[in-house]
Amino acid sequence: DAGVIQSPRHEVTEMGQEVTLRCKPISGHNSLFWYRQTMMRGLELLIYFNNNVPIDDSGMPEDRFSAKMPNASFSTLKIQPSEPRDSAVYFCASSLVPDGSGTFGSGTRLTVV
Amino acid sequence: AQSVTQPDIHITVSEGASLELRCNYSYGATPYLFWYVQSPGQGLQLLLKYFSGDTLVQGIKGFEAEFKRSQSSFNLRKPSVHWSDAAEYFCAVGADNYGQNFVFGPGTRLSVLP
Repeated sequence: DAGVIQSPRHEVTEMGQEVTLRCKPISGHNSLFWYRQTMMRGLELLIYFNNNVPIDDSGMPEDRFSAKMPNASFSTLKIQPSEPRDSAVYFCASSLVPDGSGTFGSGTRLTVV
Repeated sequence: AQSVTQPDIHITVSEGASLELRCNYSYGATPYLFWYVQSPGQGLQLLLKYFSGDTLVQGIKGFEAEFKRSQSSFNLRKPSVHWSDAAEYFCAVGADNYGQNFVFGPGTRLSVLP
């Protein structure tokens, strides 16, 4: 298995632009997580899906952030409009069950200028 | 709400030496505890987890951790460190049966001297 695949690896965008981050979970995994990592705030859980359904989105910082999982093999995290303070590394992880044993992707480093 | 502290921001050890990384948590109920490792430019990898039962947990790569309820600690240990263990280590605590509501500690960066 290729593991959790995230794209792009790096994204540089201007403030106000829409940004879409993509994640392909491991086949057969029913749970998918989006995390954000910054120096100031560390690692934060943004949202968690189980069987394609958002279960807990309490970590989503603002309405500018939205996440979807249209099917079991694909998820997106969208920021619209983006702001410089959104600059971070965004990780996607998936697991068979949501027990903390998730496999992480390599992350997307987002820079908003 | 739960919280996690990792008192050591950066630790340096010599290859072959023993290692202990500290983790303290705050949570009113039985916690679900995890240790992850992050290599540069990579995502996190789960080393081990504790839900219940034996308080000494064995993980991958020769790591182990011990849950001490009286001290609210879940320290990570390894008897002999290898140069490839140099990375960032995160302790995390989950609040429910499935542990998805994680809170991560700030991380401890481990450097290994040859």
